Amino acid sequence: QVQLVESGGGVVQPGGSLRLSCAASGFTFSSYAMHWVRQAPGKGLEWVAFIHFDGTNKYYADSVKGRFTISRDNSKNTLYLQMNSLRAEDTAVYYCVKGGPIAVVLFDWGQGILVTVSS
Amino acid sequence: EIVLTQSPATLSLSPGERATLSCRASQSVSVYLAWFQQKPGQAPRLLIYDASNRATGIPARFSGSGSGTDFTLTISSLEPEDFALYYCQHRTNWPPLTFGGGTKVEIK
Repeated sequence: QVQLVESGGGVVQPGGSLRLSCAASGFTFSSYAMHWVRQAPGKGLEWVAFIHFDGTNKYYADSVKGRFTISRDNSKNTLYLQMNSLRAEDTAVYYCVKGGPIAVVLFDWGQGILVTVSS
Repeated sequence: EIVLTQSPATLSLSPGERATLSCRASQSVSVYLAWFQQKPGQAPRLLIYDASNRATGIPARFSGSGSGTDFTLTISSLEPEDFALYYCQHRTNWPPLTFGGGTKVEIK
């Protein structure tokens, strides 16, 4: 079955950087678009970024554009989110999400990883 | 950006009752609306996509309807495990993909 396991979270100071990884298994990773979605503590869901199955197209929420970069390594079945210039408002649980036959339907979710931006 | 408004914010019901959750879009999203369930400490789970299509493994008591700007998620008879948060989300004219604010279904 589909497994998505996030790693790389933790505590970082404002202005700092962090790279999240998502190890995928149980499906042909290179055939599916992927997303990052986040949820601030006690708040709702916010879509963060999208990457096409072959990495050719990438889209971002305005709130992270220019600071975050989504990428993937299909040879390693791994999705990444490079987060730079982090702000307190980036504090959230970050979910790795697999698209489906319809790329922008959020079919399968990882368990999430907490990122805390604090001094 | 399309805004999704969910109502009510909280729904207090008893097991066995019918739950009706609403999601209204600020402009038409055609049928491109999904519903998710989230339990405390867990990741969201896709229930319904494209307004009325149940995701794999989702029980038949969950159903979705609507088109344009008005959508409904119905749980025909609440089971104890259905008490949770529910979000709607659209995929029209993206990016961005946006979510509604959520409806909490709690035990009365």
